[in-house]
Amino acid sequence: TQLLEQSPQFLSIQEGENLTVYCNSSSVFSSLQWYRQEPGEGPVLLVTVVTGGEVKKLKRLTFQFGDARKDSSLHITAAQPGDTGLYLCAGAEIQAGTALIFGKGTTLSVSS
Amino acid sequence: GAGVSQTPSNKVTEKGKYVELRCDPISGHTALYWYRQSLGQGPEFLIYFQGTGAADDSGLPNDRFFAVRPEGSVSTLKIQRTERGDSAVYLCASSASGAGTDTQYFGPGTRLTVL
Repeated sequence: TQLLEQSPQFLSIQEGENLTVYCNSSSVFSSLQWYRQEPGEGPVLLVTVVTGGEVKKLKRLTFQFGDARKDSSLHITAAQPGDTGLYLCAGAEIQAGTALIFGKGTTLSVSS
Repeated sequence: GAGVSQTPSNKVTEKGKYVELRCDPISGHTALYWYRQSLGQGPEFLIYFQGTGAADDSGLPNDRFFAVRPEGSVSTLKIQRTERGDSAVYLCASSASGAGTDTQYFGPGTRLTVL
């Protein structure tokens, strides 16, 4: 089983700060997805990146897929308390089926 | 229409008992996935259905776990002789066709506690 290593595992910051979450693997993925999960709920898709080097923006969130499609990053600008939650990266392996391989997640806490 | 729904939301059982967890996918979605999420971990793949058939069950931890999707819509995850280590949140997801770039929509999960 290929692993997706996500870092940092925990992040506690003040409102207005910037942050970056990293997702790394030795495997090549056909796509990589970022999810956000609230307590008691299932993960909700934020973005899917497919092409190596791709950059997608979602308001204050910027997602990047590595050129080799083995890694990705999520950057949040001017974090707000509403950004608090568990952020998960998940990859779809090329050779395997379509099941997603998830990282352990990054628990983000933004205080005002 | 409605999203993915799962019942029950919480299930407490005793070691050795049998449990069934139900998933109602988004109408029309042919692909259905079961994942398990332990505390402090990301979801871990269990099984994937394409229509009525299990296309990939490589994630099932052992033969105490079984899942069905007899009519290609609702799915039931069945766990026999439950163990304390089975305690986790069981998540169901569905996607339109099962393609690698398809969005998987997750349900809220069933929290299983084995005492």
